[in-house]
Amino acid sequence: EADIYQTPRYLVIGTGKKITLECSQTMGHDKMYWYQQDPGMELHLIHYSYGVNSTEKGDLSSESTVSRIRTEHFPLTLESARPSHTSQYLCASSKTAGRHSSYEQYFGPGTRLTVT
Amino acid sequence: DQQVKQNSPSLSVQEGRISILNCDYTNSMFDYFLWYKKYPAEGPTFLISISSIKDKNEDGRFTVFLNKSAKHLSLHIVPSQPGDSAVYFCAASGANFGNEKLTFGTGTRLTIIP
Repeated sequence: EADIYQTPRYLVIGTGKKITLECSQTMGHDKMYWYQQDPGMELHLIHYSYGVNSTEKGDLSSESTVSRIRTEHFPLTLESARPSHTSQYLCASSKTAGRHSSYEQYFGPGTRLTVT
Repeated sequence: DQQVKQNSPSLSVQEGRISILNCDYTNSMFDYFLWYKKYPAEGPTFLISISSIKDKNEDGRFTVFLNKSAKHLSLHIVPSQPGDSAVYFCAASGANFGNEKLTFGTGTRLTIIP
């Protein structure tokens, strides 16, 4: 059973607001990821981290930023929310333990963000 | 350009019958493949995976088949149960992609009819 948590689960916010989506995992995984998914579409990687103080942009350009100050915590911030940011945001983590085990990512429940 | 394709957006199967979900990929550098299951308002859950050195992997009711020459994989669920109704995502990765990043398909919505 994966132990990865995201808050809030749902968020409706007005344009221009700053928001932070929280993601925490208790599995001690060193790698963490943020994905964005729209209905009927694939998951797009927007940020990832190999470990503390390591963050990289993903394949899909995003105006969000992330930080990794603690192993278990990987928050995502939008400085000024816009309607185009409306989407589901999924956080995931994976361990480094053998080549193929690293590919298995465990996902949180997601945050459904609506920007009005 | 989508490198992982799930061409069937939806599939309906009678309870107790076999469900077959398909996935095609274009990049021959992929060497590891995973299937995830997603319920509404939840995150994807890892289901089963297969390495390119194998052509079949089985776990209970779930079996994944890999045809490297055709760049095709499929997930078989037998017998199908109502709880299997969900969206299924195929994902691919490989050593050459660095960072174990996954490339996902668009998903297939499976509905099991009681």
